[in-house]
Amino acid sequence: DQQVKQNSPSLSVQEGRISILNCDYTNSMFDYFLWYKKYPAEGPTFLISISSIKDKNEDGRFTVFLNKSAKHLSLHIVPSQPGDSAVYFCAASTSADNRLAFGKGNQVVVIP
Amino acid sequence: NAGVMQNPRHLVRRRGQEARLRCSPMKGHSHVYWYRQLPEEGLKFMVYLQKENIIDESGMPKERFSAEFPKEGPSILRIQQVVRGDSAAYFCASSPRTASYEQYFGPGTRLTVT
Repeated sequence: DQQVKQNSPSLSVQEGRISILNCDYTNSMFDYFLWYKKYPAEGPTFLISISSIKDKNEDGRFTVFLNKSAKHLSLHIVPSQPGDSAVYFCAASTSADNRLAFGKGNQVVVIP
Repeated sequence: NAGVMQNPRHLVRRRGQEARLRCSPMKGHSHVYWYRQLPEEGLKFMVYLQKENIIDESGMPKERFSAEFPKEGPSILRIQQVVRGDSAAYFCASSPRTASYEQYFGPGTRLTVT
């Protein structure tokens, strides 16, 4: 069962514009959410996270929004840069265990 | 390089052979996690270990797969009698403490079973 879902597998965006990635989850016990970025032939790299007690977290060009009632989170990248071209994974965890549940990922292509 | 190390990066095995994947966590980290990524899928949790202990193996297939993290040396993920369906990228992650959500990933081992 896919507890973390990322639809729209790929996204193309012009350099300088905003990239918005969406993620939905089904497990109401999740209380911590993360976004990872992955380049080909490399491991995922931690990008930004948010606790369920917050609805927004910002770090430079990256902002994550959490809507607990809708079980939805999103990642905003602004302005997008060519180096942001990668696969982005949404992940979630509960305080009861150490497992991360991942979505299938979104391919982002930033066009110079 | 103080990051998570995995070797080999690529491993080819024939059906029925054994595969051994190694993971050295980041310096100072004593918690190791293994994940598997099948083609076109996200990463799936397999097992969580601390030194000399398996803490959570709820994601491990019941047969042919085993993991260890000895007192000395890297963590090992062992797959016996590999089948074509085992072909995947296997990622190791480490964290410095229990319930650390921020896990740091290695570059992965791509296993191909022919």
